[in-house]
Amino acid sequence: DTAVSQTPKYLVTQMGNDKSIKCEQNLGHDTMYWYKQDSKKFLKIMFSYNNKELIINETVPNRFSPKSPDKAHLNLHINSLELGDSAVYFCASSHHGNSYNSPLHFGNGTRLTVT
Amino acid sequence: AQTVTQSQPEMSVQEAETVTLSCTYDTSESDYYLFWYKQPPSRQMILVIRQEAYKQQNATENRFSVNFQKAAKSFSLKISDSQLGDAAMYFCAYRREGAQKLVFGQGTRLTINP
Repeated sequence: DTAVSQTPKYLVTQMGNDKSIKCEQNLGHDTMYWYKQDSKKFLKIMFSYNNKELIINETVPNRFSPKSPDKAHLNLHINSLELGDSAVYFCASSHHGNSYNSPLHFGNGTRLTVT
Repeated sequence: AQTVTQSQPEMSVQEAETVTLSCTYDTSESDYYLFWYKQPPSRQMILVIRQEAYKQQNATENRFSVNFQKAAKSFSLKISDSQLGDAAMYFCAYRREGAQKLVFGQGTRLTINP
């Protein structure tokens, strides 16, 4: 029944490591996103993919590399993790066909802690 | 660039009372969409209500309603008959027509006092 699911829910790792977060949606949406929520709860878009094509890349360090194997999946790989990468990362999806009113449906977030 | 401002970092209300959360936004566009999302301690982001800018009528979803003032670029959320389960962070968000990016405000933490 889960609409947007992301794994893992929690991720604790050391500086310098490489880690991935996976996201899948079963809503039939054509657009997927990664948002970062910092310690002050501010939500900021990182990436957006539409039908597997990157359409938004918001000045994110190139240590972050999204990959969309198909329109139902959008994974986030992070190289050489830094302390400042600690945050909650949300995956989301929406439909951008003929209706631009489609709201975003969010996953439950992945809390990444870099030590 | 569009910005969304929530000027109340924290609000509290007595259970069963009514509370209004403020949101203002800055845009030069005439067609856009506005949303309120709720984030309870579980961390999940839940859509509460949405408004199309071309609609003059304020959106309503059960105990949740908005006061949309397009000229003033204001989009406040009213919660009637507050319940303990309404305690959460509330985020106002804006999306321009045709755009895929959702821009969020800073959030308002709502506490419900029993």
